[in-house]
Amino acid sequence: DTAVSQTPKYLVTQMGNDKSIKCEQNLGHDTMYWYKQDSKKFLKIMFSYNNKELIINETVPNRFSPKSPDKAHLNLHINSLELGDSAVYFCASSRAPPRDSTQYFGPGTRLTVL
Amino acid sequence: GIQVEQSPPDLILQEGANSTLRCNFSDSVNNLQWFHQNPWGQLINLFYIPSGTKQNGRLSATTVATERYSLLYISSSQTTDSGVYFCAAAPWESARQLTFGSGTQLTVLP
Repeated sequence: DTAVSQTPKYLVTQMGNDKSIKCEQNLGHDTMYWYKQDSKKFLKIMFSYNNKELIINETVPNRFSPKSPDKAHLNLHINSLELGDSAVYFCASSRAPPRDSTQYFGPGTRLTVL
Repeated sequence: GIQVEQSPPDLILQEGANSTLRCNFSDSVNNLQWFHQNPWGQLINLFYIPSGTKQNGRLSATTVATERYSLLYISSSQTTDSGVYFCAAAPWESARQLTFGSGTQLTVLP
């Protein structure tokens, strides 16, 4: 059973296109996250939702829009893709603090913008 | 925001050797986690350890919150331990907002 799954695993697209990445978790967690890992492997949080409510919204271009239809799903839509958006995007989930908020990561989506 | 620094940036070991990875953080934390990113890119959580000591097989971790550092010990290293080890921390006022260090690239040679 996959705990946190993401689709697609790979995404190759042209500059200017719009794309979406989907994430689902079956761990019963309240909180979900999107992270971006750049080519130097630096990981940075982008967004977090708790029970469908946006709670973390880092300095990210507004071309990126997360959506959480329910607490088990968190999607990421990216408009007008740019070369600099090429990266690996990870979804994660956790329980809410102060309980053990170990974060469980999905397999990642490697986005390449040509 | 909180700063997280890891050392060393790179580490090469012979199989069977032991190692210690260090993570320093700039503020009081409510959340500290260690992750392993394997060569296929998968991020695996190793420890949730805002304070104290935990052990899991050949791996153990200690966080001294008052002195703002955490250590990850790997004993009897194996080639499958290769990859990048990340420390991530979050402050009390925003316990979900993990800031990641830049990682330690570990290579274990057979």
